[in-house]
Amino acid sequence: DAGITQSPRHKVTETGTPVTLRCHQTENHRYMYWYRQDPGHGLRLIHYSYGVKDTDKGEVSDGYSVSRSKTEDFLLTLESATSSQTSVYFCAISEGKSSEAFFGQGTRLTVV
Amino acid sequence: AQSVTQPDIHITVSEGASLELRCNYSYGATPYLFWYVQSPGQGLQLLLKYFSGDTLVQGIKGFEAEFKRSQSSFNLRKPSVHWSDAAEYFCAVAIIQGAQKLVFGQGTRLTINP
Repeated sequence: DAGITQSPRHKVTETGTPVTLRCHQTENHRYMYWYRQDPGHGLRLIHYSYGVKDTDKGEVSDGYSVSRSKTEDFLLTLESATSSQTSVYFCAISEGKSSEAFFGQGTRLTVV
Repeated sequence: AQSVTQPDIHITVSEGASLELRCNYSYGATPYLFWYVQSPGQGLQLLLKYFSGDTLVQGIKGFEAEFKRSQSSFNLRKPSVHWSDAAEYFCAVAIIQGAQKLVFGQGTRLTINP
């Protein structure tokens, strides 16, 4: 299995609080992604990174920010959590060059 | 806009029967296509991928998929399903516009009847 670790695996937080999810890789892959998974919507891209300090928005980026200060870490921050952000969040990594993505185990976030 | 459509939200087949899961994509350039499987509570595992060459690709667990450019399709098949194939299946296309990102379909949940 690709070396991807997401933390925490589960989190319950209150509306309005900031939340940071961490993705750590040991593969030295260039690309890192954050997706959210909701029933009926598949996986939707939130943000992605193509290098240290190089990030871009995906299709559902509102309310989220990211940072990548090291190759191995990609942080997703919910600036002020809302109930609509209750979801399962997946991190993925890829070498790019049209290669496949490898996924972490996911973080289940509940906003109450 | 680039997109992936999986028309079937839920499919039920009997164990031992054949399976075909449909995937259609919308992308102007040469597509790089993938099928992933997700077992309950797990992450996603790559089943197979198509980049170029032979339009029939073989994957793990006895799955195969056929790329048909004329139909913008990349359907997943298995000749005989096993109870352990019950899972959710996702089709994805790699969008390359400078950087690369994967766009996923909505997923198809597969149930196996004994």
